[in-house]
Amino acid sequence: AQSVTQLGSHVSVSEGALVLLRCNYSSSVPPYLFWYVQYPNQGLQLLLKYTSAATLVKGINGFEAEFKKSETSFHLTKPSAHMSDAAEYFCAVSSGNKLVFGAGTILRVKS
Amino acid sequence: ETGVTQSPTHLIKTRGQQVTLRCSSQSGHNTVSWYQQALGQGPQFIFQYYREEENGRGNFPPRFSGLQFPNYSSELNVNALELDDSALYLCASSPNTGTSDVGELFFGEGSRLTVL
Repeated sequence: AQSVTQLGSHVSVSEGALVLLRCNYSSSVPPYLFWYVQYPNQGLQLLLKYTSAATLVKGINGFEAEFKKSETSFHLTKPSAHMSDAAEYFCAVSSGNKLVFGAGTILRVKS
Repeated sequence: ETGVTQSPTHLIKTRGQQVTLRCSSQSGHNTVSWYQQALGQGPQFIFQYYREEENGRGNFPPRFSGLQFPNYSSELNVNALELDDSALYLCASSPNTGTSDVGELFFGEGSRLTVL
């Protein structure tokens, strides 16, 4: 069965610093992979998705993620953090007709 | 284009009661999925509805049930509420592409249920 592991339940960065949120997946078949963001008291918003095209995927708000099959990873990055990036981020893998989510990483941005 | 809307946004129930949550899918989307997000956890798949029939179910007991209507809107019903049912319930819609793999899901803002 497909599964997702997000390393680090909390990540803290300074404004302007690199953001790196880690995600490793377990899948028996080539997966579709997603990153979603959740702001307080809101639903999930799609940041980006990998669907077996280019391995480097660019998303909204300056985020990107690289699919590395050899490492079974799909880490999310942003070159320069902004205060508005503070939120919870979820990595997810497709599994048939559903998504399997990781436990989430809360990103804190310090001024 | 109208997004996914859910109601109510917040509600409080007591143990043993029943609750109905409602979801209107995004325009043009015929598939609705429900997820439970407990505090501090990622969303967990409850079930999916397509063409008014259940099309896959996660590891949830039968007291979690649902409906989909001809206009593709959906309801989630939970009977005999337990304290552990306290969570954010998320509805997501998607256009059915005819493939077995889920594509992008479009989420509503959720219904936060508190069971006392």
